[in-house]
Amino acid sequence: DQQVKQNSPSLSVQEGRISILNCDYTNSMFDYFLWYKKYPAEGPTFLISISSIKDKNEDGRFTVFLNKSAKHLSLHIVPSQPGDSAVYFCAASAKFGATNKLIFGTGTLLAVQP
Amino acid sequence: KAGVTQTPRYLIKTRGQQVTLSCSPISGHRSVSWYQQTPGQGLQFLFEYFSETQRNKGNFPGRFSGRQFSNSRSEMNVSTLELGDSALYLCASSLGMAGANVLTFGAGSRLTVL
Repeated sequence: DQQVKQNSPSLSVQEGRISILNCDYTNSMFDYFLWYKKYPAEGPTFLISISSIKDKNEDGRFTVFLNKSAKHLSLHIVPSQPGDSAVYFCAASAKFGATNKLIFGTGTLLAVQP
Repeated sequence: KAGVTQTPRYLIKTRGQQVTLSCSPISGHRSVSWYQQTPGQGLQFLFEYFSETQRNKGNFPGRFSGRQFSNSRSEMNVSTLELGDSALYLCASSLGMAGANVLTFGAGSRLTVL
């Protein structure tokens, strides 16, 4: 059962335009959400996060929006640059019993065309 | 500060063999998590070790095992390899438990099972 879903396996955007990557989750216990970016032959790197007490967090060109009622979060990249081309994973965290669990989505491959 | 180091980076095994992968976390990080990445499946959580104890475990068969040493270095072992075990195995370290902290990933160990 995939608790964190990224329904778009790929996305293509023109340089300078906005990229919107989406992520849905099923468990309302998730209280912390993160986005990671992965280039080929490298490990994922942390990009941005948001706590469930917020609905928006911004860091430069990257903004994450959280809609708790819809169990949906999105990552906006404005403006998109060719160097943003990578696989983007969303992840959700919750405390289950005595431990925190972190669950990743399946990833979205973003291609930014020059 | 050195990053997360995984060895070997690439390896080829045949069905039925076993393999051991190694991960050296960032100095001071006490948690090490392991993930399997396959096309279309995203990052599947294997297990997490903190202070030499397995704290979380994913839904993988018992052929997958791991351990953590007193210096926080970790190894994972896969016995009786199957073709479906071919994947990129990623290790990540964090100061505290993975669900409450940002992960720093290594570049991964690419396993091919023939």
